[in-house]
Amino acid sequence: GVTQSPTHLIKTRGQQVTLRCSSQSGHNTVSWYQQALGQGPQFIFQYYREEENGRGNFPPRFSGLQFPNDSSELNVNALELDDSALYLCASSPQRGRDTEAFFGQGTRLTVV
Amino acid sequence: GDSVTQMEGPVTLSEEAFLTINCTYTATGYPSLFWYVQYPGEGLQLLLKATKADDKGSNKGFEATYRKETTSFHLEKGSVQVSDSAVYFCALSDDGFGNEKLTFGTGTRLTIIP
Repeated sequence: GVTQSPTHLIKTRGQQVTLRCSSQSGHNTVSWYQQALGQGPQFIFQYYREEENGRGNFPPRFSGLQFPNDSSELNVNALELDDSALYLCASSPQRGRDTEAFFGQGTRLTVV
Repeated sequence: GDSVTQMEGPVTLSEEAFLTINCTYTATGYPSLFWYVQYPGEGLQLLLKATKADDKGSNKGFEATYRKETTSFHLEKGSVQVSDSAVYFCALSDDGFGNEKLTFGTGTRLTIIP
């Protein structure tokens, strides 16, 4: 399955954070979502074969990397209080509008 | 832009009751539609999907029909069980801009009481 680390994290405003995701083996597409409390997940960006393949309405201080070994990272610089949320990683075996996305359990980030 | 509106929760039903969770959408292109479920302490799981008008997605006794004329994808189940207690998300995927992002509704928390 898709695994994310760490499960919980507390950071101070202004700091930087790196969240990690291990995709299902063989999946070449990974997407990241931010889920604020009581809301649905919001699309941050998608990576396909290690290149960014689309981005939602998030500022450049949200960046990502995808590696050849089925792992990926979400980096957030200059943390703000509103960045507190559950961050979800989802991997897919291929691109396509009807392809199933497999989600990890998420990383709960708290910014204080 | 794309958006999904789903029934506000929480919803509480007795076991064996009939369930409907309403979902409507707005999309610039011709989206695929999904229902995802989040059980307590777990990640999101795909429950069912439909990719074109009049398609019916079904799984675990749940059904939803893609209605293009009413831009809806309502989730139904004839007889709910306690194990169906979870948060349900309606979502769409629209490749109108070259990326297959999912746009989610806000979720509906369902609690089934014995």
